Amino acid sequence: EPEVTQTPSHQVTQMGQEVILRCVPISNHLYFYWYRQILGQKVEFLVSFYNNEISEKSEIFDDQFSVERPDGSNFTLKIRSTKLEDSAMYFCASRFVSEGEQYFGPGTRLTVT
Amino acid sequence: GENVEQHPSTLSVQEGDSAVIKCTYSDSASNYFPWYKQELGKRPQLIIDIRSNVGEKKDQRIAVTLNKTAKHFSLHITETQPEDSAVYFCAASSPNYGGSQGNLIFGKGTKLSVKP
Repeated sequence: EPEVTQTPSHQVTQMGQEVILRCVPISNHLYFYWYRQILGQKVEFLVSFYNNEISEKSEIFDDQFSVERPDGSNFTLKIRSTKLEDSAMYFCASRFVSEGEQYFGPGTRLTVT
Repeated sequence: GENVEQHPSTLSVQEGDSAVIKCTYSDSASNYFPWYKQELGKRPQLIIDIRSNVGEKKDQRIAVTLNKTAKHFSLHITETQPEDSAVYFCAASSPNYGGSQGNLIFGKGTKLSVKP
């Protein structure tokens, strides 16, 4: 069964550094999402992406964040200047049709020191 | 925006007993309500979902009920087994401006422990 994949599984970075988290959604999916989960807390929506543009974003997704689909397979989340509070598990998700299950990737654990 | 409340935060049951987790939502436009199971260090996985045109849905030992008037929905697990132990998240989604299903707003999660 096809799965969403994410790399790296764990990223450690220093405060102020830029990080890029990578996701490969399921190949025929059209809707893409980033969520984050601070340790022990709920999953929080960051941004959704469809037809090569952002369709929705949350208050968390400020100017420090950006998303890109540079080619037909990858979907990336960039954090320009990381802060300690950006430490979390970041999940990518994708969906095929306008209504349907969102499939989650295994997550990237980001640790900002 | 949408807000989802989930109770209880922890739930401990004996193997074979039933477990019920309840969620409420605030946005009456929400029309899709999935439940995800997350094992420690793993990705959330969909276990069951329900749409607003349905009041109840069942899949083997798992069922979900939805009360649109009261804006609450519940997960019922019968004949619980130790492998049901995990964190369960409810979520709600309302249509976005384009009319398609929007992003998921999650509850805070319920840690279910099933004791053998």
